[in-house]
Amino acid sequence: QKEVEQNSGPLSVPEGAIASLNCTYSDRGSQSFFWYRQYSGKSPELIMFIYSNGDKEDGRFTAQLNKASQYVSLLIRDSQPSDSATYLCAVNLVVLDNYGQNFVFGPGTRLSVLP
Amino acid sequence: DTEVTQTPKHLVMGMTNKKSLKCEQHMGHRAMYWYKQKAKKPPELMFVYSYEKLSINESVPSRFSPECPNSSLLNLHLHALQPEDSALYLCASSQEGPDNEQFFGPGTRLTVL
Repeated sequence: QKEVEQNSGPLSVPEGAIASLNCTYSDRGSQSFFWYRQYSGKSPELIMFIYSNGDKEDGRFTAQLNKASQYVSLLIRDSQPSDSATYLCAVNLVVLDNYGQNFVFGPGTRLSVLP
Repeated sequence: DTEVTQTPKHLVMGMTNKKSLKCEQHMGHRAMYWYKQKAKKPPELMFVYSYEKLSINESVPSRFSPECPNSSLLNLHLHALQPEDSALYLCASSQEGPDNEQFFGPGTRLTVL
């Protein structure tokens, strides 16, 4: 069964700390991985994407991918109260025959950054 | 400002009504998507339109009907919906190909009475 799993949280961290968000997936054929942030009542907004094993950094955010372990993570350094949101891991599981994408989202982790 | 727009922002309809949700993207993308999101749940893919072909999640009931008039517009026609269809409906677009990120519109909050 193709699944994407995340800890639902809530994950609480103090302001200025590092928040670590984890995601595992079951389909070894998955090629691309995305992290989205969603504030309550709003639509998801893209934070980062990663395709290759290793780390990818963008400002305060670092995505890490380990395809052998089927694991992708997101680190948020110097966490701010404005980072409080639900973080969704999305995995592109299957390339459809029309070259569209089949994103499957994990259940999301709710992050709370405490002032 | 998002470059994927959706109208209306909110919609309340009865179970016998027919309504349509509209999505337009101004990003030059050739793939567009409809998702359904219930409260405290992740988005679930309903339809994909790419390379002028429509792919359907087989679990989506026929009371939802997508239409793609051109590469920048994607509509979702609604007919005889049920109260459990109440949700946030999200439209997204991307470049074609497997390794491209999707950009989401603001969503339409649908309530079925």
